[in-house]
Formats: sequence, C-alpha cells, structure tokens
Amino acid sequence: QLVLTQSPSASASLGASVKLTCTLSTGYSNYAIAWHQQQPEKGPRYLMKINSDGRQSRGDGIPDRFSGSMSGAERYLTISSLQSEDEADYYCQTWATGIRVFGGGTKLTVL
Amino acid sequence: EVQLVESGGGLVQPGGSLRLSCGGSGFTFSTSAVGWVRQAPGKGLEWVSGITPSGRDTYYSHSVKGRFTISRDNSKNTLYLQMNSLRAEDTAVYYCAKDASGDYYFDYWGQGTLVTVSS
Repeated sequence: QLVLTQSPSASASLGASVKLTCTLSTGYSNYAIAWHQQQPEKGPRYLMKINSDGRQSRGDGIPDRFSGSMSGAERYLTISSLQSEDEADYYCQTWATGIRVFGGGTKLTVL
Repeated sequence: EVQLVESGGGLVQPGGSLRLSCGGSGFTFSTSAVGWVRQAPGKGLEWVSGITPSGRDTYYSHSVKGRFTISRDNSKNTLYLQMNSLRAEDTAVYYCAKDASGDYYFDYWGQGTLVTVSS
C-alpha cells in the first residue's frame, strides 16, 4: 500500500536550517513526491517536486532557501535561513493511477 | 495569475446534501486535471476525489465513494463536488486543487470552503 510517513513535529532556530523527511512505503521507493506548505489559517501552497532521480523543481515564486533531495525511500525538504513565516505545516504528496496520497504532515516551529 | 475559488460550503444536517463549486481562472481549465482535498479540524490533508480534463474519468477515496460525485463544466471553468448522505466525519475545509500540466501533483490550491455536518 502506498503510504507516506512524516514526523509529526520539528523545530529549529531563526536563521538556522532544518531538514524534514518524508518516507515512502516499501515497494514504492522510486516514486516522485511533491512538498506543500500550509501556514496557519491558510490554504496549502505547492513548494516543489522531487523526481525519482533526485531532480527538483520549485513552484512559482518559491525562494531557493527551499531545496529538496532524496536517499532511497526518503525524500527531504531542507529550509535554510529560517524565517518566522516558515513556521507552518509541511505535507508531502505522491500519486498512483487516479489517486493522490498525502503524508500526515510535519508541524515546523521556528524558535 | 492562477486562481481557484471554492464556494458552497455551510452547515448541513447528517444525511443531508451539499454541492461545492470551484471556479478556475488564469490557466486553461479544460486541459487541467483537478480535484478536491479536505482537512478536518486540527487534522492533516486528505485527498477526496479527482477528475480528468475531459471529465471522462473520475476517482474517489474509499471514505466518500458512493456518496460523493465529482464533475466539471469546462464551458464555465468550474469544478463541482456533489456530497450526499453526509456524516459528521465529513466536517472539514474542502480545497480544490489543480494538477501540474502533464503531471500528478497539485501545483495550485484554492483557499477552501468549510463544510459542517451537525444537527
């Protein structure tokens, strides 16, 4: 079954970097994913896609402080030079024929 | 500028029906796959339903299959979600979202409309 697993929470200091992880379930380690950000009381916003070969493509207007990478079944979102507005929920998303799957989300706190 | 604007949310009793709409602009609606995602209070994102550009193929999560119907009117650049036999657990903010061109991830989202199922 296609499942995405994320840690429920993460924290890092203002100006520092943080790396969020999204893990694909067994048998699906070659799948691409997308990352979305949801700031408090707002709708989600697409950040970037990470292809199965590690190539990434950011959404419109997404700063290069946001970067993606991968290792095996893990997909990462790294946010550098953390700003207060980066405090948000981050969701990974993948897909199979006709369906879309979301991870449970990671709540990022900027200290 | 791509925009997706949902409407039609509100308070409905258990067992009742509601139809959501989502108007798209700033992109070629008729060539874009679109779908609905919901978020229950304090919970994460849950994919609900999707529809291909022509409307020929539709897809549903197990939790809504048989109760919800997705459709679109490309002449009006509008996506719909007909929700029947509503349950308390359907209470959520419902977002519409569009797929990236030629791909299967959402690249634009609406701001959402709240559906509350309660007596």
